[in-house]
Amino acid sequence: AQSVSQHNHHVILSEAASLELGCNYSYGGTVNLFWYVQYPGQHLQLLLKYFSGDPLVKGIKGFEAEFIKSKFSFNLRKPSVQWSDTAEYFCAVRSQGAQKLVFGQGTRLTINP
Amino acid sequence: DTGVSQDPRHKITKRGQNVTFRCDPISEHNRLYWYRQTLGQGPEFLTYFQNEAQLEKSRLLSDRFSAERPKGSFSTLEIQRTEQGDSAMYLCASRAAGGLGVYNEQFFGPGTRLTVL
Repeated sequence: AQSVSQHNHHVILSEAASLELGCNYSYGGTVNLFWYVQYPGQHLQLLLKYFSGDPLVKGIKGFEAEFIKSKFSFNLRKPSVQWSDTAEYFCAVRSQGAQKLVFGQGTRLTINP
Repeated sequence: DTGVSQDPRHKITKRGQNVTFRCDPISEHNRLYWYRQTLGQGPEFLTYFQNEAQLEKSRLLSDRFSAERPKGSFSTLEIQRTEQGDSAMYLCASRAAGGLGVYNEQFFGPGTRLTVL
């Protein structure tokens, strides 16, 4: 069965620090990859997605992620975080042809001003 | 608001009672999904509809759970004889049909938080 692992449960950073959140998945076939964000009191929103092509994907709000197929990883990065990035971040995988998303357990990000 | 809506937003019930949640997807989205999220975990897939047909169900969906999408628009999720372990956030998502080789993303609603006492 597919699984997604997010290594960091809670990350605390100061404003302007650089961010990298890890995501690894287990599935040998073709996958689509997603990062969703949930700001306090809000819905899950899509940050970025990878389907094919350039493994470096840019999303909203300055976020980017890199798909490394050999490492089964899709890490999320941002060069300089802001207080408003405080949220919970979820990595998700969909195997090609499937409908469901398989989510990781999430990483809570706290940015101190 | 033209996003996915869910009703109610919160539900408190006693063990053994039945509860029903409603999801209204984004207009013209023919695909609809239910997920469950417990504290400290990511959402877990429950079931998927394409139009009115329920095409996939997770093993998490026990016999006490039933979902419908009678006219291919809104959907309901009913839990019969609720148990304390059913306490969770129930999320609905919808997605537009994609073309060949195209997968559009799922848009999530705000969820219904169920507490079973």
